[in-house]
Amino acid sequence: ETGVTQSPTHLIKTRGQQVTLRCSSQSGHNTVSWYQQALGQGPQFIFQYYREEENGRGNFPPRFSGLQFPNYSSELNVNALELDDSALYLCASSLDSPRYGYTFGSGTRLTVV
Amino acid sequence: QKEVEQNSGPLSVPEGAIASLNCTYSDRGSQSFFWYRQYSGKSPELIMSIYSNGDKEDGRFTAQLNKASQYVSLLIRDSQPSDSATYLCAVYSWGKLQFGAGTQVVVTP
Repeated sequence: ETGVTQSPTHLIKTRGQQVTLRCSSQSGHNTVSWYQQALGQGPQFIFQYYREEENGRGNFPPRFSGLQFPNYSSELNVNALELDDSALYLCASSLDSPRYGYTFGSGTRLTVV
Repeated sequence: QKEVEQNSGPLSVPEGAIASLNCTYSDRGSQSFFWYRQYSGKSPELIMSIYSNGDKEDGRFTAQLNKASQYVSLLIRDSQPSDSATYLCAVYSWGKLQFGAGTQVVVTP
């Protein structure tokens, strides 16, 4: 059983809307990253948080933003949704750094129509 | 050039045979290397990690790392239908985990 939980599991939004995805990290894990995985592709790094501070970001526009809370839960916010934002969004957590690998949550499937 | 590259497949493997998957990476400073298995519609699951040159075996899986040539491979021995999945190569580089596009493996009875 994974220690990382994500909600919701599925979501349908309309183009132009805003969405918030949530993640509860595995107990004790202070590093969390978010990934976007389009169909048939590998996970693409969106950003990483360590102890509530963003410490890494991939090639995603500013309308993708996040937060990490003191209890190590986190959020991914996407504004002005576009059709191409339709994907599986994965949250992954680790202790201190992903040097030793990540534990992934089950993901949120976002469909933008 | 992508940072982590894999053959997309599909790689068709007879049941009981060995599946061989390859991955190359661009950053010579990369420190940690992983193989994840992902079933259709599911999230990635870590199956192997390797940190130094050579081979690492875990059950039917063997990971091989060659830092000089910048490649990492995964062997799956005695392939089973349950091994049918997409295998993602991941590399820890510049403080983050970067993934390849994945290789789809299909084990045929």
